[in-house]
Amino acid sequence: DAGVIQSPRHEVTEMGQEVTLRCKPISGHNSLFWYRQTMMRGLELLIYFNNNVPIDDSGMPEDRFSAKMPNASFSTLKIQPSEPRDSAVYFCASSLQGQTNYGYTFGSGTRLTVV
Amino acid sequence: GQQVMQIPQYQHVQEGEDFTTYCNSSTTLSNIQWYKQRPGGHPVFLIQLVKSGEVKKQKRLTFQFGEAKKNSSLHITATQTTDVGTYFCAGRGVTGGGNKLTFGTGTQLKVEL
Repeated sequence: DAGVIQSPRHEVTEMGQEVTLRCKPISGHNSLFWYRQTMMRGLELLIYFNNNVPIDDSGMPEDRFSAKMPNASFSTLKIQPSEPRDSAVYFCASSLQGQTNYGYTFGSGTRLTVV
Repeated sequence: GQQVMQIPQYQHVQEGEDFTTYCNSSTTLSNIQWYKQRPGGHPVFLIQLVKSGEVKKQKRLTFQFGEAKKNSSLHITATQTTDVGTYFCAGRGVTGGGNKLTFGTGTQLKVEL
């Protein structure tokens, strides 16, 4: 298995532009998570899906952020419009809920810089 | 909401010295996991603890879950340069939350020769 695949690896955009981050979870995993990591705030859960349904989006900062999971093999996180304070590393992770001793598998992340 | 704190925030050790990071949750946990993130990398799952007082070992790493299931520790014996990275604990709440993990603040370990 290729693991959790995220794209792009790096994104530099101007303030006000729309940014779309993409994630392909591990085949067979039924939970998908979007995390944001910064030095100041550490690893923050933005939203998570179970069986393609959003379960908890309480971590989504504001209306500028939206996430979708149209099918079991693809998810997007969109920021519109982007702001400099959105600069961070965004991780997607997947797991198999209900399986004991099963941790999250993280993707390599997308480093977003908003200038 | 649930908060998970770790201490220390940073630790510098000489190679061969031992290292311990402590994890404390504001609420009782159903289980706790530990992850390692190498510099520039992504978190990688190490282990999960479920039972009160549980102790598990992975080579030089010893993981412990507190009796009250609100704290945990990771101890590394005789550190090596390959141990460099940030270690995170992550807890699952007892009530609700589903498959959601709350990550701790992390302890960054640096190992000097």
